Amino acid sequence: GAVVSQHPSWVICKSGTSVKIECRSLDFQATTMFWYRQFPKQSLMLMATSNEGSKATYEQGVEKDKFLINHASLTLSTLTVTSAHPEDSSFYICSAGPGSPVSPLHFGNGTRLTVT
Amino acid sequence: GENVEQHPSTLSVQEGDSAVIKCTYSDSASNYFPWYKQELGKGPQLIIDIRSNVGEKKDQRIAVTLNKTAKHFSLHITETQPEDSAVYFCAARTFGNEKLTFGTGTRLTIIP
Repeated sequence: GAVVSQHPSWVICKSGTSVKIECRSLDFQATTMFWYRQFPKQSLMLMATSNEGSKATYEQGVEKDKFLINHASLTLSTLTVTSAHPEDSSFYICSAGPGSPVSPLHFGNGTRLTVT
Repeated sequence: GENVEQHPSTLSVQEGDSAVIKCTYSDSASNYFPWYKQELGKGPQLIIDIRSNVGEKKDQRIAVTLNKTAKHFSLHITETQPEDSAVYFCAARTFGNEKLTFGTGTRLTIIP
């Protein structure tokens, strides 16, 4: 149980285009999902907290107009990287849990974004 | 906010030996401490977790210990195998908050 599916696993796009990444909880409902960014050989950096039915909460220094988050249902959150640039190239990972503060968070398998 | 430190950053262990990774946290209100294993190109996978009302938890070759007074917790892997090679992250969470604060990671290499 507690499976989080992320799609696509990798994507290459041209500078100036937008890319959408999906994160789904397959066997549980998630009122909250988290989006992370990970640079090579570094830890996970929390970008934002995605809340079902309301606006996402962004961490300091993360541009909300560049990284659009939508959490339209209890099983799906999307991250859209708008007007992507090469510096946005990174590994993006989502996580979700059943919503209880004593339940573990499970991670998707990540999306490798390369902007050319 | 919470701050989690993790040591060592790299660790090489002979196959069959034990590996220990240590983390310290700053917020005494933190009460949940998971450990994740991340293989190359994949997302982190939860391998074991411990809550603050427990001092030790074991699952086969993996164990975690927690010292609330000293605010540190450790991951112990016994009888290491090549497939244990990966990056391991510790994390901490405060009661009532789903957000995790991660350590900086430990790259574990098992030498055959």
